[in-house]
Formats: sequence, C-alpha cells, structure tokens
Amino acid sequence: DTGVSQDPRHKITKRGQNVTFRCDPISEHNRLYWYRQTLGQGPEFLTYFQNEAQLEKSRLLSDRFSAERPKGSFSTLEIQRTEQGDSAMYLCASSLGNRINEQFFGPGTRLTVL
Amino acid sequence: QQPVQSPQAVILREGEDAVINCSSSKALYSVHWYRQKHGEAPVFLMILLKGGEQKGHEKISASFNEKKQQSSLYLTASQLSYSGTYFCGTEIQGAQKLVFGQGTRLTINP
Repeated sequence: DTGVSQDPRHKITKRGQNVTFRCDPISEHNRLYWYRQTLGQGPEFLTYFQNEAQLEKSRLLSDRFSAERPKGSFSTLEIQRTEQGDSAMYLCASSLGNRINEQFFGPGTRLTVL
Repeated sequence: QQPVQSPQAVILREGEDAVINCSSSKALYSVHWYRQKHGEAPVFLMILLKGGEQKGHEKISASFNEKKQQSSLYLTASQLSYSGTYFCGTEIQGAQKLVFGQGTRLTINP
C-alpha cells in the first residue's frame, strides 16, 4: 500500500497521560500536515512540515502538543498531560510541492481520553 | 475565519442535482473541496485558484467568485456513491494552511 498510514488507529488513555502518534506519508511527498477533527466538524489545522522543517503551528495549539518530522520522512505528534478535550480524530495528510496542493489523508488515529 | 457552508445537509434522489456553497469573510487565494464518507478519511475533489485555474475531477465542477469570496460545488446527475460530507477548505494569500468549513452532509437515496 503506497498511501498515508497512521499508527495506532485507536488510542484510549487516562487523563494526564502522554500519547504519541505516528504518520508515514507517501514516500515522495515533501509536505506533511496534522489535523484534528471532532464529530460534525471539518478538519482543524494543527501544524505542517516542509521536509523536516516545521513551518507553522496553530495558535490554538497549546504547549502540550509537539510534532516532529526527523529526516523529512515519518512524523510524530505527541500530546502531553492529556485532557478530556483532546479526545478527537487526529488526521495526517501529505502532499507534493511548495504550495498547498492535493492532500492525501491517512485513516486517522482516534483518541479517547477518559 | 472559518468559511461558512450551505446547506448544512441535503437529501436527494439518485439522478438529481446538488449545489453546495462555501463563503468566506477573508480574501481567498484558493478553495479546495474534499469529500469524506462516514468512518473514512477525506478525499480530494478539486482545487480552484484565484485567476480561474482549476484542478480536479472531470465529473464534478465548481466555481470560484473572487469578488464575493464564494465557491460553489456542482454535483450533477447524482449517484449513490456521491453520498458523504463535503468540506471546503480555504487558503488565504500567504497562509500555508487550509481552514475547513463545517461540512455539508449529502445523502443520495435510490
């Protein structure tokens, strides 16, 4: 399969725990985006990378969220000290080029914080 | 800053046409359309760029009114496979991110 993959697909955690999600983009894609989606809403931008550089981070994102993309390949999104409000679907997307082009989304990681 | 989509939901019979609208209060550089089926990831449909360039699928058309900062997605002779939630994503000049609307749920009945 040459599409975008995400791991894990589901994560249940207790409030206060740290969680880390992984995204593997399409191999030749230089851009990688992270989004958060809650029920009945569109994807909400979190951050994006051009190769290994994190170029923008949403102002809505608290300091508990951090993302990395070492070597410009896979990316990780970490949420520290999770809160119930963090419960959502976390989507990763990748694209090719130096502007916003067609984005290929992964299946997402559904996070439930108890 | 989030674009407003209308209608929020629409129910059609197979073969009928639908129009989904997306409006922004900001000056837009491009509008992107995606469809998301229940339990699946969003799938790209079309990009409309300021200046009239379009990139997308042959069976789906759209327009972009730069003066009004509005875009419309036209689904003609709808098929059962068109069912899903449609999102517009808007790009402001210089901003390297999309802001998505709240979605329009389209249901096609046989």
